[in-house]
Amino acid sequence: DSGVTQTPKHLITATGQRVTLRCSPRSGDLSVYWYQQSLDQGLQFLIQYYNGEERAKGNILERFSAQQFPDLHSELNLSSLELGDSALYFCASSVQGRDSPLHFGNGTRLTVT
Amino acid sequence: DQQVKQNSPSLSVQEGRISILNCDYTNSMFDYFLWYKKYPAEGPTFLISISSIKDKNEDGRFTVFLNKSAKHLSLHIVPSQPGDSAVYFCAASARGTGNQFYFGTGTSLTVIP
Repeated sequence: DSGVTQTPKHLITATGQRVTLRCSPRSGDLSVYWYQQSLDQGLQFLIQYYNGEERAKGNILERFSAQQFPDLHSELNLSSLELGDSALYFCASSVQGRDSPLHFGNGTRLTVT
Repeated sequence: DQQVKQNSPSLSVQEGRISILNCDYTNSMFDYFLWYKKYPAEGPTFLISISSIKDKNEDGRFTVFLNKSAKHLSLHIVPSQPGDSAVYFCAASARGTGNQFYFGTGTSLTVIP
């Protein structure tokens, strides 16, 4: 158990809809990362937050947004969903500082129909 | 642009033998490298890391080798066990990018009893 909790585990929704994925980091970790894994693809970095502030942005679409709340949990909002958004979405957390590995949750599998 | 590449999608090894998983990278600024293991329906789990100031790091049955001139790293598992069957991802980050990690597409290892 990594200590990172993601909900829900599975999500099925229709094109054009909006969903929210939730992540609770490990106790004590201030950084939260979101990654997307599409079929046969590696983990694509979306966005990182540190202690409530956006720290780094990767290949995140404008239809997607995220935030980290004062209690350090994070939410990833996906809107105007398209079929191609179907993927596994992973949240990870780490302590701040260099050479700190990421600890991943078990992911949310999003299926857009 | 895939900055971290794992060119072998799959690998099969007999139990007790050595497993060698390879990873290449293109960004010469990368200075911290990690290997993750992923079982189905779970998030990636941190396995071992190496800083660019070293060329080898060992942890039990797992050893990571880094060849900076070739921009290549490898993970050796000796001896391989059936429980090692999983997808292995390599990842890299560069100083100054706020712990943004770039992942390869993964190699699926099967250890045959």
